[in-house]
Amino acid sequence: DAGVIQSPRHEVTEMGQEVTLRCKPISGHNSLFWYRQTMMRGLELLIYFNNNVPIDDSGMPEDRFSAKMPNASFSTLKIQPSEPRDSAVYFCASSLSRTGTEAFFGQGTRLTVV
Amino acid sequence: SQQGEEDPQALSIQEGENATMNCSYKTSINNLQWYRQNSGRGLVHLILIRSNEREKHSGRLRVTLDTSKKSSSLLITASRAADTASYFCATDAGGAQKLVFGQGTRLTINP
Repeated sequence: DAGVIQSPRHEVTEMGQEVTLRCKPISGHNSLFWYRQTMMRGLELLIYFNNNVPIDDSGMPEDRFSAKMPNASFSTLKIQPSEPRDSAVYFCASSLSRTGTEAFFGQGTRLTVV
Repeated sequence: SQQGEEDPQALSIQEGENATMNCSYKTSINNLQWYRQNSGRGLVHLILIRSNEREKHSGRLRVTLDTSKKSSSLLITASRAADTASYFCATDAGGAQKLVFGQGTRLTINP
């Protein structure tokens, strides 16, 4: 398996534009996590899915953020409209949804909003 | 809010020395994991310790867990320059299956 695949790797966009980040989890994994990493706030859990269903989205910062998982092999994180403070590295991770399993991370998407 | 807090925030040692990082957490857990992140990369799983375990080894890594103190430590023995990275602890936040990370310890190994 190629691991968790995120796209794009880098995204530069202007304030106010819509941004869509994409993630393909490892085949067979049924838990998927979206994280945001910044120097100030560290690694924040935004939302996680189990069997394509959002379980906990309490980490989503604002209504401008939304995430979907239409099937077991694809998830998106959308920011609309984007703001400069959204600049961060966004990671997607997947795992088997049972206690005591490790999460596998993608390489991340570095988002810069100017 | 973050579940785990790592200590120290940064650590710089000479190659060959041992490095110890600590993690404290707030809620009950089923397990605690340690991850490493090289600059500009995603996190990589190192080791998992279950709540009924007190110590676990993997190669040059030794992890301890004290559930009464809600703390864990990661020891890297005989450090190498390639161990330079950030290290994070993560917990399942009381068995919720979500993985919550601490702020991390930035480890620098000087050759």
